Amino acid sequence: AQSVTQLGSHVSVSEGALVLLRCNYSSSVPPYLFWYVQYPNQGLQLLLKYTTGATLVKGINGFEAEFKKSETSFHLTKPSAHMSDAAEYFCAVSQYNNNDMRFGAGTRLTVKP
Amino acid sequence: DAGVIQSPRHEVTEMGQEVTLRCKPISGHNSLFWYRQTMMRGLELLIYFNNNVPIDDSGMPEDRFSAKMPNASFSTLKIQPSEPRDSAVYFCASRGFSYEQYFGPGTRLTVT
Repeated sequence: AQSVTQLGSHVSVSEGALVLLRCNYSSSVPPYLFWYVQYPNQGLQLLLKYTTGATLVKGINGFEAEFKKSETSFHLTKPSAHMSDAAEYFCAVSQYNNNDMRFGAGTRLTVKP
Repeated sequence: DAGVIQSPRHEVTEMGQEVTLRCKPISGHNSLFWYRQTMMRGLELLIYFNNNVPIDDSGMPEDRFSAKMPNASFSTLKIQPSEPRDSAVYFCASRGFSYEQYFGPGTRLTVT
């Protein structure tokens, strides 16, 4: 079975600073990896996904993530944080042959002015 | 595209009452998922359907919870009787032939 660990339940950055949210996964077969964002009182919205192909994937709102098989990681980055990036971010993993998507516990991002 | 639609958005009920949450998936999607989100337990998968058939209900907390999908465009999650510990945000999500799930806005349930 697959699983996801998000390191750091809370991350705080200054506006304009680099955003780095960490995600490590466990999967017995090649994983499909996702990052979702949740704004207050809203559902989860897909930021980006990795299934196959290029290991650096770009998503919405200037976010990107890199799949590193050797490190079993899929960290989310953004070069310059904006106040509107404040939200909760979830990493998720699934496999090609089933519908079971496992979510991490989430990381709450705070952006300071 | 209207996205996944859930109703009601907010529900306040008294302990012991029946609660029914509703979901309309994105047209053409063949998989539907029900999740529960709480501060303590995070996001939990309750049940999912594939082509209207329940595939895995191992996340349903107990027999008080039941879910149905009578057709491709409608699903319900029912709690009978409800208890205060059922208070949470319940999300419905759907998936088509790509791998990501699309989430609805959620139903915030408060059981007093």
